[in-house]
Amino acid sequence: DAKTTQPPSMDCAEGRAANLPCNHSTISGNEYVYWYRQIHSQGPQYIIHGLKNNETNEMASLIITEDRKSSTLILPHATLRDTAVYYCIVRVPNSGGSNYKLTFGKGTLLTVNP
Amino acid sequence: DARVTQTPRHKVTEMGQEVTMRCQPILGHNTVFWYRQTMMQGLELLAYFRNRAPLDDSGMPKDRFSAEMPDATLATLKIQPSEPRDSAVYFCASATGTGGDIQYFGAGTRLSVL
Repeated sequence: DAKTTQPPSMDCAEGRAANLPCNHSTISGNEYVYWYRQIHSQGPQYIIHGLKNNETNEMASLIITEDRKSSTLILPHATLRDTAVYYCIVRVPNSGGSNYKLTFGKGTLLTVNP
Repeated sequence: DARVTQTPRHKVTEMGQEVTMRCQPILGHNTVFWYRQTMMQGLELLAYFRNRAPLDDSGMPKDRFSAEMPDATLATLKIQPSEPRDSAVYFCASATGTGGDIQYFGAGTRLSVL
């Protein structure tokens, strides 16, 4: 799996958009970008994933640069409940071997302030 | 609302005792993972199963840890004998193994070995 780089922490005001960056400069052509988050004392929660096109679901939007070397997770209207550690992971789904697992780095602690 | 169920949520035991943690994956998911989370190591994979067969348990201390899937609705992780360094939160996750191969996590078992 390609390594990812995320800022250790970010702050965001409640109601504003939270933009969480992730660098994955060594990503290979068949690796997807996944985002998970972990709210305190809970298990990790899947947010969104994508290959090269921008993706949106009910939780967030994922913007992947054209060269795929970086991406941004956008929470359009952050709430206090979005305070969590956000993990950016790149992997090839369903490919067997070590790619079955999610390799979690340290992630970004997003704190949403009132 | 389908979810991964883990029991017990909390376990306090004394060193040397056997500990058994249980996981009920989401119905229809054929891949099950055990992760461990500590402050020092973060989230790390211990073992995973596909169609109840163990595919990788290289992350698990072999002498004291064992993981099994007696049937498709139950996965177990046992520690015998337990040691204080085993204190951690243990997460189970399940996935369909197809499509986006999204992993869904349980709430975890918080283990304290005294």
